[in-house]
Amino acid sequence: GENVEQHPSTLSVQEGDSAVIKCTYSDSASNYFPWYKQELGKRPQLIIDIRSNVGEKKDQRIAVTLNKTAKHFSLHITETQPEDSAVYFCAARRGDSSYKLIFGSGTRLLVRP
Amino acid sequence: DGGITQSPKYLFRKEGQNVTLSCEQNLNHDAMYWYRQDPGQGLRLIYYSQIVNDFQKGDIAEGYSVSREKKESFPLTVTSAQKNPTAFYLCASRPGPRETQYFGPGTRLLVL
Repeated sequence: GENVEQHPSTLSVQEGDSAVIKCTYSDSASNYFPWYKQELGKRPQLIIDIRSNVGEKKDQRIAVTLNKTAKHFSLHITETQPEDSAVYFCAARRGDSSYKLIFGSGTRLLVRP
Repeated sequence: DGGITQSPKYLFRKEGQNVTLSCEQNLNHDAMYWYRQDPGQGLRLIYYSQIVNDFQKGDIAEGYSVSREKKESFPLTVTSAQKNPTAFYLCASRPGPRETQYFGPGTRLLVL
């Protein structure tokens, strides 16, 4: 069935360093890949997304890359700051007609001051 | 996100009691969703609804029920059949087929 694997489960970096979170999806028909950030006790919030017709998308310090052949996509955060500390979830959706997002298990990112 | 509201913020359930979590959106979104999140875990889909008067089971629907009588409302009932209901419940909605989901602030359910 549909599955999204996310690694690592926890990630600790020094402030100013880069952080990379990777996800692998199983359904080759997936064409939409959002990333959510969830701070402690809060709702998940969309931070960036990418569609299968592009290989990379950037928004200031965050970027997402997509490798359709290998069926994996990654979140890159540069110049990390303490406020980047949160849980990050990747997700995949099978086509525009699907109403379901398949979520990864989450990565807890800690940015050490 | 501001247009999706959930109430109450905290809810306490006694053994054998049914409780209903409210989710309302004023964004005119067609699709609505309910997720369960256990401490330190990911999001698991309970139910979703694509249009009014229609809904489908997600991955963990047992012990839960929903209704979608109005476009803006998608309440979730946690029944007594759900033996371990303690969790953070998140409602979400989606504007259209090519859009992503946006989440409400969540309801934390605790069992007394």
